[in-house]
Amino acid sequence: AQSVTQLGSHVSVSEGALVLLRCNYSSSVPPYLFWYVQYPNQGLQLLLKYTSAATLVKGINGFEAEFKKSETSFHLTKPSAHMSDAAEYFCAVSSWGDTGRRALTFGSGTRLQVQP
Amino acid sequence: NAGVTQTPKFQVLKTGQSMTLQCAQDMNHEYMSWYRQDPGMGLRLIHYSVGAGITDQGEVPNGYNVSRSTTEDFPLRLLSAAPSQTSVYFCASRGGTSYEQYFGPGTRLTVT
Repeated sequence: AQSVTQLGSHVSVSEGALVLLRCNYSSSVPPYLFWYVQYPNQGLQLLLKYTSAATLVKGINGFEAEFKKSETSFHLTKPSAHMSDAAEYFCAVSSWGDTGRRALTFGSGTRLQVQP
Repeated sequence: NAGVTQTPKFQVLKTGQSMTLQCAQDMNHEYMSWYRQDPGMGLRLIHYSVGAGITDQGEVPNGYNVSRSTTEDFPLRLLSAAPSQTSVYFCASRGGTSYEQYFGPGTRLTVT
């Protein structure tokens, strides 16, 4: 079985500051990892994904994440926060479940606030 | 492509009532799933389907039924609504060789 832990349910940064959202996973098989963003009253949109190719993954809106197997981490970063980045961010892991099918397990989410 | 569509967007039910949340996708995706989102708990998988006629339970299946008679549609049925089922429900789909799930806009359900 797989699981995801997101450290910090709320993160607040100033506009222009570095954004760092933390995600640690556990999986008994090589995982695929995802970051999704959810704006208020909307569905989830894929930011980026890791599927066992390059460990540094670039996504949309200037976000990137690095897969570190030794630390079982997949932290999301952006060098300079913008007001429009305020949203909730979810880390997710996908691997084979007990039935052999690929299931998606989400973390509890991190709400990012950007202060002017 | 419309992507993944869900109806209704909002619904209020009384305890014990039944209803069906509709989900449709026009991307010919094999895999479809239903999640519920509750504050501080992320999204939890209710049921999923790997193709027409094939469904399986996720993490929180109790109180919900699904069926998949066509590739396009994957309705979620609440047989006897309970206040604990107050939540936002998301449907998602992905292709057989893709790792990306596409999400619908969600249905906000309140059970009183």
